[in-house]
Amino acid sequence: DADVTQTPRNRITKTGKRIMLECSQTKGHDRMYWYRQDPGLGLRLIYYSFDVKDINKGEISDGYSVSRQAQAKFSLSLESAIPNQTALYFCATSDLHSNQPQHFGDGTRLSIL
Amino acid sequence: GNSVTQMEGPVTLSEEAFLTINCTYTATGYPSLFWYVQYPGEGLQLLLKATKADDKGSNKGFEATYRKETTSFHLEKGSVQVSDSAVYFCALTNNNAGNMLTFGGGTRLMVKP
Repeated sequence: DADVTQTPRNRITKTGKRIMLECSQTKGHDRMYWYRQDPGLGLRLIYYSFDVKDINKGEISDGYSVSRQAQAKFSLSLESAIPNQTALYFCATSDLHSNQPQHFGDGTRLSIL
Repeated sequence: GNSVTQMEGPVTLSEEAFLTINCTYTATGYPSLFWYVQYPGEGLQLLLKATKADDKGSNKGFEATYRKETTSFHLEKGSVQVSDSAVYFCALTNNNAGNMLTFGGGTRLMVKP
C-alpha cells in the first residue's frame, strides 16, 4: 500500500460544482500539504497543516479550503469550481522534527469544464 | 522571496549520453536544495539533496553539487538510460520557512534507445 493515498485519481466536473479531494497517509507524519501542478510552473503550495489544529494558507489558497480531520487525513475542497482550477493536485507529508523533503501521493487529475 | 529557475525542456538524449540539467536559485539564508523526479502517472520522488554549500548529493548515478558562489545545483548523470525518461524538478526549502518547498518549473527528459 502507498504511504500517501489520494482519491479520486481522476475527476471531470462542471463549473460551479463543489469538489472534495481526499488524502490519507500511513507515515505517521504531523505535517500535510496540498499542491497543484500546472505545466511549466512546477508545484505551488495551496494549503498546509502542521498538526490537526493547525491550518495555513499557501501561495495560492484563493478558491480552495481544507479540512484536517485527523493526523492521517487532509482533504481539499473547491467550493465552486472554475476552469482555471483544472490541474494536477498532489498531497504530501513531512516529519515535524526534521528538515526532510515531503513524501507525495500519486496525484489527482482534475478537469473542470 | 525564494525562487528556482530550471532550463526549459524537453531535453532529448540518446541512451548512454551525458546529462546536465541546470538549476539556479534565489533564497534568503542558507537553503537546502533538492532534485525530485516524476515518472509518468506518478507523484514526485526525492532523487537527491544537499543541505550546505559544497555538499554533493548523489543517487542512482545522478549527482548535483551545492554551489553557493554561483547559486546553482545542476543535475548530472554520466550515462542516461531509457528508464531515466521523466520530469525533473529542482527545489529548495528555507530552514526559516516551516519546511515548505519552492519548486522550479520542471525539465522533461526524454531518452531514446
